[in-house]
Amino acid sequence: AQSVSQHNHHVILSEAASLELGCNYSYGGTVNLFWYVQYPGQHLQLLLKYFSGDPLVKGIKGFEAEFIKSKFSFNLRKPSVQWSDTAEYFCAVMARGSQGNLIFGKGTKLSVKP
Amino acid sequence: NAGVTQTPKFQVLKTGQSMTLQCAQDMNHNSMYWYRQDPGMGLRLIYYSASEGTTDKGEVPNGYNVSRLNKREFSLRLESAAPSQTSVYFCASSEAGTPRRSYEQYFGPGTRLTVT
Repeated sequence: AQSVSQHNHHVILSEAASLELGCNYSYGGTVNLFWYVQYPGQHLQLLLKYFSGDPLVKGIKGFEAEFIKSKFSFNLRKPSVQWSDTAEYFCAVMARGSQGNLIFGKGTKLSVKP
Repeated sequence: NAGVTQTPKFQVLKTGQSMTLQCAQDMNHNSMYWYRQDPGMGLRLIYYSASEGTTDKGEVPNGYNVSRLNKREFSLRLESAAPSQTSVYFCASSEAGTPRRSYEQYFGPGTRLTVT
């Protein structure tokens, strides 16, 4: 069965610090990969996605993620965080041919101190 | 376009009561999903509907039923609510199952349900 592991439950950073959130998945086949963000009190929004091609994908608000197939990883990065990035971040995996079902990680809460 | 809409936004139930959560999407998506979100657990799939007329169980279906009323609407029913069903419920839709196959899921604003 597929699973997604997010290594950090809660990350606290100061503004302008660099961010890297880890995500590993377990599945032997071809996958589509996603990062979603949930701002306080809001619904999930897509940050970025990887389907194929360049393993370094860029998303909204300066976020990017790199797919490393050999490590089954899809880590999220941002060079310089802002207070407005305070949110919960979810990594999700979809196996190709799975009728579009997403498997989510448990989420990483990011708190950015002004 | 409103995207994915859910009603109600908040609900408090007593144990044993029943209720239906409504979800509608106006993006002409084939697939629709119901998730629950609990602290520290991420989102877990309750039921999904790959296309109009079909529904399938997800990871945590016990205590729930669903109806895909038409292509736009997908409802979730709690027949006899239990405190363990206190959660935030999200509906989502996607193009999965169509030739475009973008697979991105679009989420509704959620329903916060408390069962006492």
